[in-house]
Amino acid sequence: AQSVTQLGSHVSVSEGALVLLRCNYSSSVPPYLFWYVQYPNQGLQLLLKYTTGATLVKGINGFEAEFKKSETSFHLTKPSAHMSDAAEYFCAVRAFNQAGTALIFGKGTTLSVSS
Amino acid sequence: DTGVSQNPRHKITKRGQNVTFRCDPISEHNRLYWYRQTLGQGPEFLTYFQNEAQLEKSRLLSDRFSAERPKGSFSTLEIQRTEQGDSAMYLCASSLVSGGSSGANVLTFGAGSRLTVL
Repeated sequence: AQSVTQLGSHVSVSEGALVLLRCNYSSSVPPYLFWYVQYPNQGLQLLLKYTTGATLVKGINGFEAEFKKSETSFHLTKPSAHMSDAAEYFCAVRAFNQAGTALIFGKGTTLSVSS
Repeated sequence: DTGVSQNPRHKITKRGQNVTFRCDPISEHNRLYWYRQTLGQGPEFLTYFQNEAQLEKSRLLSDRFSAERPKGSFSTLEIQRTEQGDSAMYLCASSLVSGGSSGANVLTFGAGSRLTVL
């Protein structure tokens, strides 16, 4: 079975500061990993995904994440935060050989950006 | 392509009433998923369809919940005899999974239907 733990339910940064949102996963088979963002009153939007190959994955809006198997982590980073990045972020996992099964989501991290 | 559409966006009902939500997925997508999201939690999987077939149901889907996708296009989620604990955002998502596809298929989510049970 797969599971996801997002460390820190709330992260606050200043505009221009580094954003680091932490995600650790548990999976008995190689995982596929995803980060989604949710703005108020909107659906979840895919930021990036890791499937196979390069472990550093670049996504939209300047975000990137690195898959570290030894640490079972998939942390999300952005070098310089913008006010528009304020939202809720979800990490999700699916086993690579289970195309039809649902994504398993973490509880989410709310990112606040102050000026 | 207008994305995944969900209706109604908000529903307020009294305990014991039945409610139905509708999801219109992206037209070429063959997979359709229902999730539930409560305050402070991530989306929790309820059920999913491959075309019209319901292939998996979560233990969260009690017998008061029923989902259908009769023609493999839109889907409905009905909750009978609603309880206050059913208050949540109900999210629909769709994806395209082809024969050789792996688990990398991406879910596209709708904006959700918020249920408040008084």
